[in-house]
Amino acid sequence: DGGITQSPKYLFRKEGQNVTLSCEQNLNHDAMYWYRQDPGQGLRLIYYSQIVNDFQKGDIAEGYSVSREKKESFPLTVTSAQKNPTAFYLCASSIVAGTASEQFFGPGTRLTVL
Amino acid sequence: QKEVEQDPGPLSVPEGAIVSLNCTYSNSAFQYFMWYRQYSRKGPELLMYTYSSGNKEDGRFTAQVDKSSKYISLFIRDSQPSDSATYLCAMSGNAGNMLTFGGGTRLMVKP
Repeated sequence: DGGITQSPKYLFRKEGQNVTLSCEQNLNHDAMYWYRQDPGQGLRLIYYSQIVNDFQKGDIAEGYSVSREKKESFPLTVTSAQKNPTAFYLCASSIVAGTASEQFFGPGTRLTVL
Repeated sequence: QKEVEQDPGPLSVPEGAIVSLNCTYSNSAFQYFMWYRQYSRKGPELLMYTYSSGNKEDGRFTAQVDKSSKYISLFIRDSQPSDSATYLCAMSGNAGNMLTFGGGTRLMVKP
């Protein structure tokens, strides 16, 4: 089955910890994205990548970091600098960056700070 | 003011009703418009994709875009309990721009 997988489904973080969220796709898409979803605020773009070894900041990149060493993988690290990380995190991919092609979403990771 | 506004609901309707979901926006450069459906604790899935103004129909779903009013709508005919979900509108300007999402409207269709 082609698609996007995210792990873990639920993640708990203590204050001061860095945590990494996994995102893998087997759709052979060039572009990948990370969004944060808070209640009533829709999706906000954290980072996106159009090609391997390249990525760009989105609207709310502070306190987050990413890497794109492989086409199929785009992990997101939530650092201790992110003061309010509790949210639902969604990874997406598209054939090319931008809106000419559909963005496919993974099932999400719910991160909670203890 | 948010760039894309969407009533959060919840919107509760009986099974079989016609549902109207709406978004307003402020950026006149937007010309790509999408509707995503998101079930609880799941990722969004694309329902409808339209370019510029006009209507697009797909089964029970119809998307309308009125660029002069900066207003888009999604109509669901013969609504079913399985349509109960949060509906997100999304839009952008030229191809290559990132999507701007509305906050989502939660729909509940009661049997």
